[in-house]
Amino acid sequence: DVVLTQSPLSLPVTLGQPASISCKSSQSLAHSNGNTYLNWFHQRPGQSPRRLIYRVSNRDSGVPDRFSGSGSDTDFTLRISRVEAEDVGVYYCMEGTHWPYTFGQGTKLEIK
Amino acid sequence: EVQLLESGGGLAQPGGSLRLSCVGSGFTINNVGMSWVRQAPGKGLEWVSILLESGDRAYYADSVRGRFTFSRDSSKNTLFLQMNSLRAEDTAVYYCVRGQSSGGDSWGQGTLVTVST
Repeated sequence: DVVLTQSPLSLPVTLGQPASISCKSSQSLAHSNGNTYLNWFHQRPGQSPRRLIYRVSNRDSGVPDRFSGSGSDTDFTLRISRVEAEDVGVYYCMEGTHWPYTFGQGTKLEIK
Repeated sequence: EVQLLESGGGLAQPGGSLRLSCVGSGFTINNVGMSWVRQAPGKGLEWVSILLESGDRAYYADSVRGRFTFSRDSSKNTLFLQMNSLRAEDTAVYYCVRGQSSGGDSWGQGTLVTVST
């Protein structure tokens, strides 16, 4: 199975400052169909996960443009340009290239 | 608006069975691949199963293969996860998800399954 390693696992951030989460894969996530199925989710306490970014860099409808995704092959990054209070929670990367799909361990973002 | 509503969770004994349901609204389940994802209490996420858009093939995580069955009833726009031979480690919130490889653009609110004596 593909192992996704996120860092950091804990991310204290000052409001208005940028934040970045890394996700490294044990295998290339480039699919033979040309797509790279690396996705990012945000989960607030007591809520269902919500997808933010799909296929590396595509932002979901309604997701603020302060969120961006980048990367290729085995190295990926989620960036938040200016953290707001509503951004607290756990962020997960997830790969859908190889079955079984897997998630990273999660990164907990908190406000300093 | 796309919505997914799960039901059927509850308490089951080890070795017992439960059937989860997921009713979709705002879209047709025949037109998209669907998934079940679970989250054990206080833990991360695990992708449990996918049902292809065609409805004729499902894939399962090693942890549930041979015990869980993913199916659908198109006439009711409803998905099912039949869970047999339940184990304590199956205790989790189970989410119904619209989508597969791209992570799913809609998730239900989840239904809690607890396996315990």
